[in-house]
Amino acid sequence: SQQGEEDPQALSIQEGENATMNCSYKTSINNLQWYRQNSGRGLVHLILIRSNEREKHSGRLRVTLDTSKKSSSLLITASRAADTASYFCATDKGQGGKLIFGQGTELSVKP
Amino acid sequence: DGGITQSPKYLFRKEGQNVTLSCEQNLNHDAMYWYRQDPGQGLRLIYYSQIVNDFQKGDIAEGYSVSREKKESFPLTVTSAQKNPTAFYLCASSIGGVAQPQHFGDGTRLSIL
Repeated sequence: SQQGEEDPQALSIQEGENATMNCSYKTSINNLQWYRQNSGRGLVHLILIRSNEREKHSGRLRVTLDTSKKSSSLLITASRAADTASYFCATDKGQGGKLIFGQGTELSVKP
Repeated sequence: DGGITQSPKYLFRKEGQNVTLSCEQNLNHDAMYWYRQDPGQGLRLIYYSQIVNDFQKGDIAEGYSVSREKKESFPLTVTSAQKNPTAFYLCASSIGGVAQPQHFGDGTRLSIL
């Protein structure tokens, strides 16, 4: 049961540009998390935003959450070739740590 | 260095064979999880365990089995009942509870011979 739907499925930009990825979900959540996956590797946790938060920053990452629209966005500013990866949102409904992952956005940053 | 170790990195299964994927963590985490990832897809939860000697089915548990006899270890067996086992399998752990990030291993890629 995939709760998160991500948009776009793939994104190609030049180094230095900003990248925005969106995630929509269907039911109420406790928190939403973003993860990154390099090809053939495990996922790495990037940022967690709770349902009572609207915006959170971590370095070049900015995450917003709109619970009324059931959507979140991840912005990567001043992208680098090393940011090339797949990015996944995951929703946590507060059920013992179970996460439901979206299908991901494949980001390609060209030097 | 603390982390999660999955082995082997690549695994091949013959028809009718059960295979076991290893997952070990030294993060002292209570909760552990197994996910399946198909090409171009997100992760789907197979089984999870919030504490030693206890585990629950996830969304796609059919054809899989697990055990949690030790805090550090959460092996996954892919049984012959799983008719389409070819996938990338990821193990994760967390402190447990709500609003905690999960830490992932580097996965095992399982293929059919």
